[in-house]
Amino acid sequence: NAGVTQTPKFQVLKTGQSMTLQCAQDMNHNSMYWYRQDPGMGLRLIYYSASEGTTDKGEVPNGYNVSRLNKREFSLRLESAAPSQTSVYFCASSKNRGTGELFFGEGSRLTVL
Amino acid sequence: ELKVEQNPLFLSMQEGKNYTIYCNYSTTSDRLYWYRQDPGKSLESLFVLLSNGAVKQEGRLMASLDTKARLSTLHITAAVHDLSATYFCAVLATDSWGKLQFGAGTQVVVTP
Repeated sequence: NAGVTQTPKFQVLKTGQSMTLQCAQDMNHNSMYWYRQDPGMGLRLIYYSASEGTTDKGEVPNGYNVSRLNKREFSLRLESAAPSQTSVYFCASSKNRGTGELFFGEGSRLTVL
Repeated sequence: ELKVEQNPLFLSMQEGKNYTIYCNYSTTSDRLYWYRQDPGKSLESLFVLLSNGAVKQEGRLMASLDTKARLSTLHITAAVHDLSATYFCAVLATDSWGKLQFGAGTQVVVTP
């Protein structure tokens, strides 16, 4: 059972380049999330999708866009990457928004030069 | 705005001894989670605590919740090397629309 799958696992970008992080879950969960993890700051919510067809901003949405393509897939796009976006990105899903328990992907390590 | 504070942020443990990690939060909460993260890996759910006085135990780890004090503790009994990891608490605040707020994490290193 794959759970939550993220691609790519590693990426190096130059400032100003764009890229999309892909996330897919096979647990039939309704809610999906994108977090970034930076040293000493825990995980911070970028965007979330409570259900298919909806997306909302989290704590740190600036510089990112998201698409909930269908129930399984939730992508995160950096339109013009900046060094401040160097981070580890985690996709997560939960059965429903209110339950809170998250299941995480393996993470995507992004470096912006 | 919900604030979640963990302490300590770094904990060097000796094998066989007992230690506690603290998680304080600033507003009413529906539930609290503890996660474990091994270096370079994803986060794994350890416990979910749903109500005041809740206590969960798994092996050498025991988590408890005091909603009146807005405090959760993760107690490690007789630490072993395999418990070396970073531990996060995460709080689901009331009316937070399902958004978890994470603490900064406690890096635990267990040495002989």
